[in-house]
Amino acid sequence: GESVGLHLPTLSVQEGDNSIINCAYSNSASDYFIWYKQESGKGPQFIIDIRSNMDKRQGQRVTVLLNKTVKHLSLQIAATQPGDSAVYFCAEKDTGGFKTIFGAGTRLFVKA
Amino acid sequence: DAGVTQSPTHLIKTRGQQVTLRCSPISGHKSVSWYQQVLGQGPQFIFQYYEKEERGRGNFPDRFSARQFPNYSSELNVNALLLGDSALYLCASSLERAGAYEQYFGPGTRLTVT
Repeated sequence: GESVGLHLPTLSVQEGDNSIINCAYSNSASDYFIWYKQESGKGPQFIIDIRSNMDKRQGQRVTVLLNKTVKHLSLQIAATQPGDSAVYFCAEKDTGGFKTIFGAGTRLFVKA
Repeated sequence: DAGVTQSPTHLIKTRGQQVTLRCSPISGHKSVSWYQQVLGQGPQFIFQYYEKEERGRGNFPDRFSARQFPNYSSELNVNALLLGDSALYLCASSLERAGAYEQYFGPGTRLTVT
């Protein structure tokens, strides 16, 4: 079946360090993956996406890596800032394209 | 530009009651999706509507229904409320043209069932 999961429920990093949030997915037919950031009291906010025909995609201070061999996805945040503190979700678009399947989320704490 | 808006922001209902939640998508977006987010979990897909037609439905009982209006706004209805329906209900809109899947979420409606 389809499922998207995260390795760690919480991650604590020092301000200025790089953060890496990991995610595993089980459906080898998934072809579109998204990372969302959700701050307290707000809806999820799109960060970056990647399609299955790519291994890496970079945005502003963020990089997503996709390893299709082991069905693993990661989000790297460079020079983590206090404003990056939030819950991060990886998600996959199902092959029918109608729904986005979210994982449970990782809470990122940034220590000043 | 205004983002996705949802109303009400908070709602308290009693078991067995019915509730209607509303969503207005970003101007120009024709697709609206609804998600349920239980505390401490990721959002779970409920429905997607595109051009006023249901395109997909998640694993939710028939007590959950939705519709999309000609102006692309949408309502989510839940009948015979259960305590387990307490959650944050999120609406997301998207263009849904070929290759453009990015969804924009509203702030959600916090539903508490007592």
